[in-house]
Amino acid sequence: DTAVSQTPKYLVTQMGNDKSIKCEQNLGHDTMYWYKQDSKKFLKIMFSYNNKELIINETVPNRFSPKSPDKAHLNLHINSLELGDSAVYFCASSQEGRGGGTQYFGPGTRLLVL
Amino acid sequence: QQQVKQSPQSLIVQKGGISIINCAYENTAFDYFPWYQQFPGKGPALLIAIRPDVSEKKEGRFTISFNKSAKQFSLHIMDSQPGDSATYFCAASFDTSGSRLTFGEGTQLTVNP
Repeated sequence: DTAVSQTPKYLVTQMGNDKSIKCEQNLGHDTMYWYKQDSKKFLKIMFSYNNKELIINETVPNRFSPKSPDKAHLNLHINSLELGDSAVYFCASSQEGRGGGTQYFGPGTRLLVL
Repeated sequence: QQQVKQSPQSLIVQKGGISIINCAYENTAFDYFPWYQQFPGKGPALLIAIRPDVSEKKEGRFTISFNKSAKQFSLHIMDSQPGDSATYFCAASFDTSGSRLTFGEGTQLTVNP
């Protein structure tokens, strides 16, 4: 069973469209994250939710809106897509307690904005 | 603000050789230092991690060396294999749930047969 899953795996869309990426974890973790990996492979945190509550909200355009319907799910909605949004988006999760820095990543969603 | 600097950007090693990747951090409050391994088309996966109360941690062919006074840590891969070819990221965080990982820029390792 996949621990952290993301859908879709690939997303090709036109500028100006709105799209969503879904993430689910079956590890029973209480914290979930969204990271963006750019073309140079640099990984940057975007958001983090703990028990459905937003705890990290980096300097990200407000076109990006995370939503956590429950502890096991964290979705990312992007409005008015721009060329610069093209990247790989990774969802991750971690568990409360020592070692909370251990994050488990999903396979990524490759977004290409044309 | 880049709080974790990683070098080299790319590394080519012969099979059986030692691969060494270095990282330096700025925030002395960091207390958890993981290394992640990422294969093409996959998400990063935790490889090995260290906390600042020890100077070295070894797991199989992978060793982290940690120098708290210099604010540096490094990954050593002994007897490097072609299957180790991947991108390696060092990171730093606070050892609590929900803590953000601050990643280094990544090192593309190629191990030639």
